[in-house]
Amino acid sequence: GENVEQHPSTLSVQEGDSAVIKCTYSDSASNYFPWYKQELGKGPQLIIDIRSNVGEKKDQRIAVTLNKTAKHFSLHITETQPEDSAVYFCAASPSGYQLIWGAGTKLIIKP
Amino acid sequence: NAGVTQTPKFQVLKTGQSMTLQCAQDMNHEYMSWYRQDPGMGLRLIHYSVGAGITDQGEVPNGYNVSRSTTEDFPLRLLSAAPSQTSVYFCASTSGGGNTIYFGEGSWLTVV
Repeated sequence: GENVEQHPSTLSVQEGDSAVIKCTYSDSASNYFPWYKQELGKGPQLIIDIRSNVGEKKDQRIAVTLNKTAKHFSLHITETQPEDSAVYFCAASPSGYQLIWGAGTKLIIKP
Repeated sequence: NAGVTQTPKFQVLKTGQSMTLQCAQDMNHEYMSWYRQDPGMGLRLIHYSVGAGITDQGEVPNGYNVSRSTTEDFPLRLLSAAPSQTSVYFCASTSGGGNTIYFGEGSWLTVV
């Protein structure tokens, strides 16, 4: 079955710098890759997603890239701000509603 | 907009006790699910439902039961609580078209 690995587990960056979180997946049939942000004490919330027919998608300071050949996708956050501090989860969907989750990355923005 | 509402927010149980975590959504989503979240292990699927009257097991179903009598409600029952079930539990519902998952605020459960 599908397996998703996420790195790093913790990422600390200076405010204003960029942050990159990477995920790899194993099932080439996966065709949907969302990213969720979880703030302290709350449930995860979708921030951006990408489908397998697209290589890159941007939404203001957030972008996701997908390399289907290498089976990896990444979340890029530019000009980081204190409110970006959170835990970020990637996931891959091999079929229908099924989602396989990465273990999460704790992003710390240093002032 | 309420979205996904789950109760209680916090609960302490003694080993062997049973309890039900309540979950309700007002978005008319067919697909609902329960996850548990443990440090360093991300989100693990416990049970899910593709519609009223239909439930199925996820990755870690042992020790939990679910039912889906209506589209809105999807309660999770702990049959005989064990310390290994100490975790944060999230109920979620999924939109039919875009696969977007809407999570509840979470229920923090401690079993002593």
